[in-house]
Amino acid sequence: GENVEQHPSTLSVQEGDSAVIKCTYSDSASNYFPWYKQELGKGPQLIIDIRSNVGEKKDQRIAVTLNKTAKHFSLHITETQPEDSAVYFCAPSRHSSASKIIFGSGTRLSIRP
Amino acid sequence: DTEVTQTPKHLVMGMTNKKSLKCEQHMGHRAMYWYKQKAKKPPELMFVYSYEKLSINESVPSRFSPECPNSSLLNLHLHALQPEDSALYLCASSQAPSRERLMRIGAFFGQGTRLTVV
Repeated sequence: GENVEQHPSTLSVQEGDSAVIKCTYSDSASNYFPWYKQELGKGPQLIIDIRSNVGEKKDQRIAVTLNKTAKHFSLHITETQPEDSAVYFCAPSRHSSASKIIFGSGTRLSIRP
Repeated sequence: DTEVTQTPKHLVMGMTNKKSLKCEQHMGHRAMYWYKQKAKKPPELMFVYSYEKLSINESVPSRFSPECPNSSLLNLHLHALQPEDSALYLCASSQAPSRERLMRIGAFFGQGTRLTVV
């Protein structure tokens, strides 16, 4: 099955600085690469995703970059704000599977004021 | 409506009780999921329903019994649970892959049911 690793497991950055979280996967057939944000007491929320035919996607302060050859993709958050504090999960998958979504181990991001 | 609604939000049950968790979505999604999440861990897949049929059971003990009465509803029936089953139970939905729709989209999650087994 898919082996998904996320690094780092915890990340603390100064407000206004950038944060980068990396996700490495093993299934070369994966073609969908989302990032989820989970705030305390809430369910995960999809914040950005990318498909295998695209190398980078941006949405305001967040971006995702994909390196299919190396089988990793990264979440970039610029100009971090206190509300970015949360746990972030990657969940690479393949379209042809029966909708199986497996999460990485998670990264706890803390923004220092 | 882009919400997945789960009820109840909190549930405390004894080991001999029978209870059910409920999940509802009205986004026309034909894939629905149950996940279990322990503290400081990622959500762990339990079941997947695709077009109202159970397509994946991740070797979940039979004391957890899923049901999909229609395309908008998903239930999880609980019976004879153990204290270690205490966790946050998350429901999610997404568009199911099909010939007509080639590109997957991400899943929408509910807020979860916080279950405590005593």
